[in-house]
Amino acid sequence: GENVEQHPSTLSVQEGDSAVIKCTYSDSASNYFPWYKQELGKRPQLIIDIRSNVGEKKDQRIAVTLNKTAKHFSLHITETQPEDSAVYFCAARGAYSGGGADGLTFGKGTHLIIQP
Amino acid sequence: NAGVTQTPKFRVLKTGQSMTLLCAQDMNHEYMYWYRQDPGMGLRLIHYSVGEGTTAKGEVPDGYNVSRLKKQNFLLGLESAAPSQTSVYFCASSYTGRRTEQFFGPGTRLTVL
Repeated sequence: GENVEQHPSTLSVQEGDSAVIKCTYSDSASNYFPWYKQELGKRPQLIIDIRSNVGEKKDQRIAVTLNKTAKHFSLHITETQPEDSAVYFCAARGAYSGGGADGLTFGKGTHLIIQP
Repeated sequence: NAGVTQTPKFRVLKTGQSMTLLCAQDMNHEYMYWYRQDPGMGLRLIHYSVGEGTTAKGEVPDGYNVSRLKKQNFLLGLESAAPSQTSVYFCASSYTGRRTEQFFGPGTRLTVL
């Protein structure tokens, strides 16, 4: 099955600086890579996703890059703000297995701390 | 639209007791999932369903059973709860399986003593 590694586990940056979170995956057939933000005590919420036919996607201050050859993808947050403080999870979805649809395989999360 | 809802929000069980967690979605999604979230472990897939009447095992299915009798509902059952099942349980749903957003419910915090 798929295995997703996420680094770092904790990231502290000054407000206004950029933050980068990196993930690697093991299944070369994986084709969908979402990023979720989870605030304390809340549900995970999708912030951006990328499909395997795209190398980069941007949405305002958030961008994701995908390198299929190296099997890694990264989340970039620019001009960080206090409300960006949360736990961020990367995930990957592999190809169909036996005709069914697998759920997502998640990384273990990065606790992003924005220092004022 | 309420989106994805979960019942109950909190529950405390004693070892060996049973319970059922209910997930409901009003988005007419075909696919539904149950995950558990433990500190430092991310979210792990327990079981999932690709449509009414179907279920399949995920990464950590042992000790759990599921049923999808109606398209909008996905039930997660614990027949004999163990302390290792203390966790936060999240239900999610998606329109289809491939490359589509999963929407999560608010979670159920379960403690097994």
